[in-house]
Amino acid sequence: GAGVSQSPSNKVTEKGKDVELRCDPISGHTALYWYRQSLGQGLEFLIYFQGNSAPDKSGLPSDRFSAERTGGSVSTLTIQRTQQEDSAVYLCASSLLDRPNYGYTFGSGTRLTVV
Amino acid sequence: DQQVKQNSPSLSVQEGRISILNCDYTNSMFDYFLWYKKYPAEGPTFLISISSIKDKNEDGRFTVFLNKSAKHLSLHIVPSQPGDSAVYFCAAIRTTGNQFYFGTGTSLTVIP
Repeated sequence: GAGVSQSPSNKVTEKGKDVELRCDPISGHTALYWYRQSLGQGLEFLIYFQGNSAPDKSGLPSDRFSAERTGGSVSTLTIQRTQQEDSAVYLCASSLLDRPNYGYTFGSGTRLTVV
Repeated sequence: DQQVKQNSPSLSVQEGRISILNCDYTNSMFDYFLWYKKYPAEGPTFLISISSIKDKNEDGRFTVFLNKSAKHLSLHIVPSQPGDSAVYFCAAIRTTGNQFYFGTGTSLTVIP
């Protein structure tokens, strides 16, 4: 597609349930990021994939969070046993390479609400 | 359809001078605008924001200006420092619904 696609756009889930968020990056982009934006907070880095390298998971807030990227393309962010503090907009971004003079394209996010 | 645009992919400024980063948007319904700064291999960090009901917000060396009639915002950094060298993203939010849009970034280089 022309841009980064995220699905679903909105997700309401009950506390304790697992959720999966999907990101389809721009074709050919080797770098993929997951971030989240909580209400009143800045953008929080979660995880970074670059090509075939081991992902940088340093931003994942707990072991309930995991992500994978299949075939160097689609990525899935999984949150197990969701908590109310997980409510946020989850953003995915991709770029050709992680270089300052390359543009980053962001998806419009998945708004997750844990009730 | 890029609703938030940063038309300058890069900018170089001498240390001590003013850096001006620009951003244009198309949707007049955006409620809030933000600037983020990103170093290589790190996630973006929040810098400064402005509500759509204001035209200026200042925080130390950083000032954001909003011109709603022109659908334009800018980030001024003065004086610029070498540590300011990074990619700067503007973002726009519509707090109702699920609209959260980022520009593609401007790479700022502050030359010592």
